[in-house]
Amino acid sequence: GAGVSQSPSNKVTEKGKDVELRCDPISGHTALYWYRQRLGQGLEFLIYFQGNSAPDKSGLPSDRFSAERTGESVSTLTIQRTQQEDSAVYLCASSPPGETQYFGPGTRLLVL
Amino acid sequence: EDQVTQSPEALRLQEGESSSLNCSYTVSGLRGLFWYRQDPGKGPEFLFTLYSAGEEKEKERLKATLTKKESFLHITAPKPEDSATYLCAVQNFDGQNFVFGPGTRLSVLP
Repeated sequence: GAGVSQSPSNKVTEKGKDVELRCDPISGHTALYWYRQRLGQGLEFLIYFQGNSAPDKSGLPSDRFSAERTGESVSTLTIQRTQQEDSAVYLCASSPPGETQYFGPGTRLLVL
Repeated sequence: EDQVTQSPEALRLQEGESSSLNCSYTVSGLRGLFWYRQDPGKGPEFLFTLYSAGEEKEKERLKATLTKKESFLHITAPKPEDSATYLCAVQNFDGQNFVFGPGTRLSVLP
């Protein structure tokens, strides 16, 4: 079956513009995670969705970052008024309840 | 606060030269410790989950072990295709969040 997919694979934007990143999880996976990975760094947790429960937003670095998920399907991560420090790879992962995560290929964001 | 550190930051091995990577953690209540492999430009790929001290898991040239404070990823007779960044993560019982270490960049030279 298909794995986690993310789009776009690459995004170049100008400082101050808004961007929207998309994640399609594996079908049947109730949990969905967003991470940020700066060049040469580890994964930084951003937000976690589990079924219909309230999302865990504790990792969002500022109010410019937001994410939504419709049921147990697609999720979008939105970054408003992008800054150069937002440049990174944004990774999405999904998992069945209590199981390990399966990652997508990531979206490489470059803010000029 | 849950924390994960990994050492060394980078490791260069000759093909066939066995070694170990370390993952040290502090967690309020360990639900699971996870090892991933990440190739350049790709998302992490799941390798192992360990749940309790003393547990071991093997896959080809890799073996992961777990104690109450750390985990080791042993690489036996590595090949150049084992070159990658190896990430360790922990999950606690309080939530579903995963805390990742910074990774170890492994280079295996032919």
